[in-house]
Amino acid sequence: NAGVTQTPKFRILKIGQSMTLQCAQDMNHNYMYWYRQDPGMGLKLIYYSVGAGITDKGEVPNGYNVSRSTTEDFPLRLELAAPSQTSVYFCASTGRGGRETQYFGPGTRLLVL
Amino acid sequence: AQKITQTQPGMFVQEKEAVTLDCTYDTSDPSYGLFWYKQPSSGEMIFLIYQGSYDQQNATEGRYSLNFQKARKSANLVISASQLGDSAMYFCAMREGPGTDKLIFGTGTRLQVFP
Repeated sequence: NAGVTQTPKFRILKIGQSMTLQCAQDMNHNYMYWYRQDPGMGLKLIYYSVGAGITDKGEVPNGYNVSRSTTEDFPLRLELAAPSQTSVYFCASTGRGGRETQYFGPGTRLLVL
Repeated sequence: AQKITQTQPGMFVQEKEAVTLDCTYDTSDPSYGLFWYKQPSSGEMIFLIYQGSYDQQNATEGRYSLNFQKARKSANLVISASQLGDSAMYFCAMREGPGTDKLIFGTGTRLQVFP
């Protein structure tokens, strides 16, 4: 199993550009999440999904969009990038509830200039 | 509102000594889960240990143990016999209510282990 994979690893965007951060998992997990981590801070939830076709906002959704057309993939779309979106983005997935942890991808480092 | 607080921005410990990283939480939900993650300088999030709100005993995983005091709403991580490789950021997280498994993270504690 590859677990949770994310692409790209690093990207520099100009203000106003758009991009999609890719996330895929091969563990057949229904639950998937996108977090951002600003320097020296904890992770904050952007969007999450409890299954294909179902998404919902987290704590900091502004400036982002998501879709979940398959169980495996959960892309995050940035429209009109702003310097405030400079961050490290983590995708995670988990099986349903209980004692199971969330499994995190390696992260995407995004710099908006 | 649910909240996780880590009040120690940084901690130092000598190799082979034990160290406690503090975590307090606030929730009105009787069913919740508490997690600790390690984030080394390479950036990945590594799961360490889990404690369920109904667990009767404190969780242990190798050199990691969780000092769970439910009445005080604290879930402190204890690392025994510290190693140089334990130097990292440590995050406490709480799983929010049923149905979504969302996590709320604290701001983290940077642990530095010195020889």
